[in-house]
Amino acid sequence: GESVGLHLPTLSVQEGDNSIINCAYSNSASDYFIWYKQESGKGPQFIIDIRSNMDKRQGQRVTVLLNKTVKHLSLQIAATQPGDSAVYFCAERANSKLTFGKGITLSVRP
Amino acid sequence: DAMVIQNPRYQVTQFGKPVTLSCSQTLNHNVMYWYQQKSSQAPKLLFHYYDKDFNNEADTPDNFQSRRPNTSFCFLDIRSPGLGDAAMYLCATKDRASNQPQHFGDGTRLSIL
Repeated sequence: GESVGLHLPTLSVQEGDNSIINCAYSNSASDYFIWYKQESGKGPQFIIDIRSNMDKRQGQRVTVLLNKTVKHLSLQIAATQPGDSAVYFCAERANSKLTFGKGITLSVRP
Repeated sequence: DAMVIQNPRYQVTQFGKPVTLSCSQTLNHNVMYWYQQKSSQAPKLLFHYYDKDFNNEADTPDNFQSRRPNTSFCFLDIRSPGLGDAAMYLCATKDRASNQPQHFGDGTRLSIL
């Protein structure tokens, strides 16, 4: 059978509140960063990306912030909805290779 | 719609019995990737093809092989599956010249009996 994996950290938010999901990346040579959303039984779905020459990028209801000084990436979701419940992964690209960070489970309370 | 399709969605095989997972794409992307994702973990890159050029990750076991007969299809072969190979296997594609991110299929969940 399948090996027992680690439990992912969970962020629980009230529907309608804003969510902030944080990620620490490791490679100072990374030039491109992506947030993916993964629902149960599905593949990762692109949410938003940011290049290393930027520190903020906004999409529809989502904002990504990049702090290269401390190698930190965050995803902000405005007015969180039940459909936002999923596992969120940050990913960094260095030398054309994408490396995923540990996921965080977002749970939205009705 | 253009997409990445993985078949089957669920695959059960016996310990040590070879298994092949398939991935097809209608995006005409020149790069195809295979990732392994174990429960509650991040996807881990196994290897990728840039056109017909195969690129293996250093820590991918020899038990895992891949074939890409044409642009649209890519296969993951596990020669002798062990219990530790039970996982979700994700295929992704990308146009190398594009700034667009990798586009993922919905994966094949492999169980080992």
